[in-house]
Amino acid sequence: QKEVEQDPGPLSVPEGAIVSLNCTYSNSAFQYFMWYRQYSRKGPELLMYTYSSGNKEDGRFTAQVDKSSKYISLFIRDSQPSDSATYLCAMRRLFGANNLFFGTGTRLTVIP
Amino acid sequence: EAGVTQSPTHLIKTRGQQATLRCSPISGHTSVYWYQQALGLGLQFLLWYDEGEERNRGNFPPRFSGRQFPNYSSELNVNALELEDSALYLCASSLYGTGGTEAFFGQGTRLTVV
Repeated sequence: QKEVEQDPGPLSVPEGAIVSLNCTYSNSAFQYFMWYRQYSRKGPELLMYTYSSGNKEDGRFTAQVDKSSKYISLFIRDSQPSDSATYLCAMRRLFGANNLFFGTGTRLTVIP
Repeated sequence: EAGVTQSPTHLIKTRGQQATLRCSPISGHTSVYWYQQALGLGLQFLLWYDEGEERNRGNFPPRFSGRQFPNYSSELNVNALELEDSALYLCASSLYGTGGTEAFFGQGTRLTVV
């Protein structure tokens, strides 16, 4: 079993829709949770990160972490065609090695 | 401010050859991470360097190695290339105190082994 699971999609939504992207994980030691956006032929770009459980909002993006369920989500409101990309969740432990554990990514297309 | 830069952008090698990939971190960042992004597998952690030392390595064979120079730039070497090494190799940098939490990625080097 992979430590981080993410539905690869693809996911297609009309412009203006609310998008929900999700990941589950198995390692209870994970404490930092990140979301990255990766456009085609580009490196991943950090969107936001949260520590432990709770919500964090940044503009049209909201990240949620439910540690009891080992489940994290990214919501995109008023989705735009420019949001079309692959979204990667990532996480790491509080102590020990700093490397990130990634999901495989969800490919999102926002249709004008 | 310049971001993480990687070179070359593309690299084509023959099976059995060696490949050398380079990474320059964001100014002030001391930690450099290498990841492999193979089709359908997501990003897999390869190596972490900080202050010139290897701090951690992922589940890859020893023919994947690297180093970090005094200016914090880094080099990834892949020896005895195999076809399955074809992937996008991504470098990321961060301040040591933030760990990998706020890691910023370069554009990657696409390695093709034929």
